[in-house]
Amino acid sequence: GAGVSQSPSNKVTEKGKDVELRCDPISGHTALYWYRQRLGQGLEFLIYFQGNSAPDKSGLPSDRFSAERTGESVSTLTIQRTQQEDSAVYLCASSSWDLNEQFFGPGTRLTVL
Amino acid sequence: SQKIEQNSEALNIQEGKTATLTCNYTNYSPAYLQWYRQDPGRGPVFLLLIRENEKEKRKERLKVTFDTTLKQSLFHITASQPADSATYLCALANTGFQKLVFGTGTRLLVSP
Repeated sequence: GAGVSQSPSNKVTEKGKDVELRCDPISGHTALYWYRQRLGQGLEFLIYFQGNSAPDKSGLPSDRFSAERTGESVSTLTIQRTQQEDSAVYLCASSSWDLNEQFFGPGTRLTVL
Repeated sequence: SQKIEQNSEALNIQEGKTATLTCNYTNYSPAYLQWYRQDPGRGPVFLLLIRENEKEKRKERLKVTFDTTLKQSLFHITASQPADSATYLCALANTGFQKLVFGTGTRLLVSP
């Protein structure tokens, strides 16, 4: 595709349920990032995948959060036992090895009731 | 600790004036610095990249400076327009292989 895509665009869930968010990066991009952005706040780094290296998980806020990436392709961010504080927009971005200019997807707006 | 600081207060200017936004950093030795624009409800969009050995970079009405001694980048929009109203984020990485880290952004409001 032409850009980074994310699905779903909106997700409403009940507290305690698990959710899975998907990111399709630009083909050929080796780096993939997940960020969280609460209303009116800045980008909060969650996790970073770079090629076949071990992911940088230093931004994951708790062990309820995990992410996987299949090679240099799709990534899924999973939030288990969701809490109301998890409500935010989750943004995915990808970049190429050399330039590191990030291309962002449209985000998934997560609402935990 | 490492910090990237942008003015959290919104910058209000009149159409036609030059907007100047500041990005300061501590405990980084960035190979390059990037600026992004974010509109409400959308993901950030890349604007400019400036490398550590470059003092200044221009793109149309945009100009970025990078002073590694002051540990500061300035982002200028000349002849500003109401359509330039958005949040502007700076981001940097120590090398091309390390993760890009974003500042919290500064909101720019350009009044007609």
